[in-house]
Amino acid sequence: KQEVTQIPAALSVPEGENLVLNCSFTDSAIYNLQWFRQDPGKGLTSLLLIQSSQREQTSGRLNASLDKSSGRSTLYIAASQPGDSATYLCAVRGSGGYQKVTFGTGTKLQVIP
Amino acid sequence: EPEVTQTPSHQVTQMGQEVILRCVPISNHLYFYWYRQILGQKVEFLVSFYNNEISEKSEIFDDQFSVERPDGSNFTLKIRSTKLEDSAMYFCASSVLAGYQETQYFGPGTRLLVL
Repeated sequence: KQEVTQIPAALSVPEGENLVLNCSFTDSAIYNLQWFRQDPGKGLTSLLLIQSSQREQTSGRLNASLDKSSGRSTLYIAASQPGDSATYLCAVRGSGGYQKVTFGTGTKLQVIP
Repeated sequence: EPEVTQTPSHQVTQMGQEVILRCVPISNHLYFYWYRQILGQKVEFLVSFYNNEISEKSEIFDDQFSVERPDGSNFTLKIRSTKLEDSAMYFCASSVLAGYQETQYFGPGTRLLVL
């Protein structure tokens, strides 16, 4: 059974700082890994999707990497802004179901102005 | 930009009652999903749906749950006899296909409270 863990559970940083969020998964037989953002009481917004054959994806100030063999992914946020404050979820697809997505517990990020 | 919509945003019901949660996926999408998130816990996969049938479901999705695409636009989740532990945020999602490069797009969720 796939298990997805995110560390740290919460993170508070001053505005402008670069930061890294970590995600680990137990079964490396994945199809893809996706990073989401969740704002309080809201739905999930997809940030980046990395296919199993890829090593990284970039979108603006966000860069996600994937090391499938070690079961790890990182989300790098450059020059953080208060608007980045949210819970960040990583989710892996495959392994236990082609369409099933297994979510991590999330990292709650607060960027202090 | 097209988006997934869900109604109602909040629903309160009595234990044992039936509830139907509604979703309108993005119009050209073919795969539909339901997830739930119990307060303070992980988002959990419930079911995926394609070509008018369930393609995959989790162990959570027991006989109390059913899904339907009653027309060309709506996708519904029915809980036949709600229990207290069904209280959660329910998210609908859709994707064009189900390939490994496909992004699932999520709706804003329906918060269900069972009393």
